[in-house]
Amino acid sequence: DTQLTQSPSFLSASVGDRVTITCRASQGIRSYLVWYQQKLGKVPKLLIYRASTLQSGVPSRFSGSGSGTEFTLTITSLQPEDFATYYCQQFNSYPLTFGGGTKVEI
Amino acid sequence: EVHLVESGGGLVQPGGSLRLSCAFSGFTFSDHYMDWVRQAPGKGLECVARVGIRGKTYTAEYAASVKDRFTISTDDSKNSLYLQMNSLKTDDTAVYYCTRDGGNYRFDYWGQGTLVTVSS
Repeated sequence: DTQLTQSPSFLSASVGDRVTITCRASQGIRSYLVWYQQKLGKVPKLLIYRASTLQSGVPSRFSGSGSGTEFTLTITSLQPEDFATYYCQQFNSYPLTFGGGTKVEI
Repeated sequence: EVHLVESGGGLVQPGGSLRLSCAFSGFTFSDHYMDWVRQAPGKGLECVARVGIRGKTYTAEYAASVKDRFTISTDDSKNSLYLQMNSLKTDDTAVYYCTRDGGNYRFDYWGQGTLVTVSS
């Protein structure tokens, strides 16, 4: 199975900050990496797929990059509604696996 | 518009069985893979089962944690996805989400989830 390791697992930031979250895969997954946002008690929301493609309707302050084994999610100017937990997921091979999550708090 | 609505969750004793349903609309199953994803209380996300049509072959895959205990299936006539869960363990306690693989390797739609609690 492909393991995904996110770092940090917890991040404290302020409105307006630039935030970067890293996701490392235990083996190469090409560009089959997805990012989701989950707010407390809510359903995960798709942000980015194929490592860097922004899902329709997602604000442009979110961006993704990387390929192979190292990926990043960047939020250029953190907004109040961005405080949430972020998960990466690989679609390269089954079982599809998620990272452990990064909680972004004020 | 795409909608996914899960049902069937509840409280069950260890060793028991439960069948989850997901009623979907707005798309044709044969054009997409569909998955069940679960989230234990306060924990992360785990894909447990996947079903789709590859060529003309109906395929199903399972996470090791549920293989031989859970069965994923569909009923195209009812636009429904199911997850039959047998030999349930306390570790299976979670919110179970029905998801659609929207193509381009992503879960683009999620249901609201149904809670399964395995406890004596």
